[in-house]
Amino acid sequence: GAVVSQHPSRVICKSGTSVKIECRSLDFQATTMFWYRQFPKQSLMLMATSNEGSKATYEQGVEKDKFLINHASLTLSTLTVTSAHPEDSSFYICSARAGQDGTDTQYFGPGTRLTVL
Amino acid sequence: GDSVTQMEGPVTLSEEAFLTINCTYTATGYPSLFWYVQYPGEGLQLLLKATKADDKGSNKGFEATYRKETTSFHLEKGSVQVSDSAVYFCALSPNSGNTPLVFGKGTRLSVIA
Repeated sequence: GAVVSQHPSRVICKSGTSVKIECRSLDFQATTMFWYRQFPKQSLMLMATSNEGSKATYEQGVEKDKFLINHASLTLSTLTVTSAHPEDSSFYICSARAGQDGTDTQYFGPGTRLTVL
Repeated sequence: GDSVTQMEGPVTLSEEAFLTINCTYTATGYPSLFWYVQYPGEGLQLLLKATKADDKGSNKGFEATYRKETTSFHLEKGSVQVSDSAVYFCALSPNSGNTPLVFGKGTRLSVIA
């Protein structure tokens, strides 16, 4: 199947700093990418949907100025957590889909564990 | 709106036992249905999928059949192994435009030797 990578896999930062997480589709072009957040022992919470070349669509309650998403190319999307605080510590997972048709499979990255001290 | 309900865990089974994880859905139209598996500390991996009624998805000994009449997509495996211990997520894709997956809450499976 298709491969999606994330970098870094784990990051520890100080409160107030910004952290960038990259999501890449390695062997297909991703028209659409999704960013999720997962708390321990819980399901995935969708944060935003991003389409290449356009602004991301954020879910209700997700601060767009705090979680900056850039989908600059068909193989790369980035999530920047700005001015991170301990409550932003979480497991962040991206996924990518080749088309804009719901029958297309979403492939997930391995996740990034963010710890804010 | 669309939703997915799956059985709450945790589920604990002995090795070689039969596994069923129930999943039912509510959706307008004809969604595609998926099972994803998440091993500890990792992202989600697609396990199997079905895109229309009566389709059966299968992979690694796991199976699920898209039952429109009962709006279900139950996951089954005849003989589980310790390596199957993970969290399993049922999900649907509404198939209407560029919409994300709708996930169930996940079912944690522990298989003991």
